[in-house]
Amino acid sequence: AQTVTQSQPEMSVQEAETVTLSCTYDTSESDYYLFWYKQPPSRQMILVIRQEAYKQQNATENRFSVNFQKAAKSFSLKISDSQLGDAAMYFCASIASMNRDDKIIFGKGTRLHILP
Amino acid sequence: DTGVSQNPRHKITKRGQNVTFRCDPISEHNRLYWYRQTLGQGPEFLTYFQNEAQLEKSRLLSDRFSAERPKGSFSTLEIQRTEQGDSAMYLCASSIQGVGKLFFGSGTQLSVL
Repeated sequence: AQTVTQSQPEMSVQEAETVTLSCTYDTSESDYYLFWYKQPPSRQMILVIRQEAYKQQNATENRFSVNFQKAAKSFSLKISDSQLGDAAMYFCASIASMNRDDKIIFGKGTRLHILP
Repeated sequence: DTGVSQNPRHKITKRGQNVTFRCDPISEHNRLYWYRQTLGQGPEFLTYFQNEAQLEKSRLLSDRFSAERPKGSFSTLEIQRTEQGDSAMYLCASSIQGVGKLFFGSGTQLSVL
């Protein structure tokens, strides 16, 4: 079964600094998607970034980038120039199978605090 | 694009009552997913549809839970004989087949007293 593990329940970072959230996953598939979702206090799940496993280049979206290590099954999220609005729960997630329309499996999340 | 809409936003009910939630996906999306999220946890998959066909149900979805998507547009999730353990946020998401990108609604927070 596909699993996603986030080992950091909470993290804090000073405003304008950089923070990295960790995620490991386990899959028997060779092709899959990985995601980071943000859930602010409003509880709305927002897609932050998506990585296709067959792509070697790490995905980047403005201040958000990932470090995708396929052999190590590691998928960390780096947030640069942290802003107060980045405070939220962050969930690492993956598609459960090679079927890109399959369900997404989520980790337990990391709560990120931004210190002014 | 009006986004995924869920109603109601909050529902308080007494144990043993039946409740029904509604999800309206983004109009051109043919895939619709239901997840459940308890406080401090990630969303757990419940079930999903392609058009009106229910393709998979999680073991979490007991016989008291039923979901429908009768015309391949909106979906309903019904919980019969609610229990306190059903208290959670119920999230709906939709996607276009082949894109692998889910868009979530704001959820329905259920409290069973």
